[in-house]
Amino acid sequence: AQSVTQPDIHITVSEGASLELRCNYSYGATPYLFWYVQSPGQGLQLLLKYFSGDTLVQGIKGFEAEFKRSQSSFNLRKPSVHWSDAAEYFCAVAANAGNMLTFGGGTRLMVKP
Amino acid sequence: DAGVIQSPRHEVTEMGQEVTLRCKPISGHNSLFWYRQTMMRGLELLIYFNNNVPIDDSGMPEDRFSAKMPNASFSTLKIQPSEPRDSAVYFCASRPQASGGNTIYFGEGSWLTVV
Repeated sequence: AQSVTQPDIHITVSEGASLELRCNYSYGATPYLFWYVQSPGQGLQLLLKYFSGDTLVQGIKGFEAEFKRSQSSFNLRKPSVHWSDAAEYFCAVAANAGNMLTFGGGTRLMVKP
Repeated sequence: DAGVIQSPRHEVTEMGQEVTLRCKPISGHNSLFWYRQTMMRGLELLIYFNNNVPIDDSGMPEDRFSAKMPNASFSTLKIQPSEPRDSAVYFCASRPQASGGNTIYFGEGSWLTVV
């Protein structure tokens, strides 16, 4: 079965600084990978997803993520963080297009002014 | 598009009472999911339906939990009797069949407190 690990429970960055949130997955074949964001009191919103092709995927709100098969990683990045990016971020994996998602434990991002 | 609609948004109930959470998926979506989110366990898949049929309910914690999907536009998650440890945020989500692939769209959650 697939699994996802987000090693960082909390991250604090200064506004305007760059951001990288780590995600490692466990699955034998090429997985389907996702990043979701959850703002306080809200549901989860899809930021981006990787199915195949270009390993660098662009998402909404200026986020991008890179799939690295050799490292079993799918890290989320943003070159310049805004205060409104403060939220919880979830990485998720699915074995195939018809399968359900398995979520990581989430990383809570705080942004310092 | 209205998105996934859940009700109630917030509920406080006493231990032993029945709780019913409701969900209206996005029109045209053929898969529906119920997730539970707690601080201790994160996001857990409770059950999911394809074309109104329950496919996997292995995440349903106990017999006190039941879920139904009588038609393509409505689902319920019921807890009877409720216990304090059921306090959590319950998310409903839906997924389209076709080119949307595996993108799952979440509702805003039902925040349940059992006292």
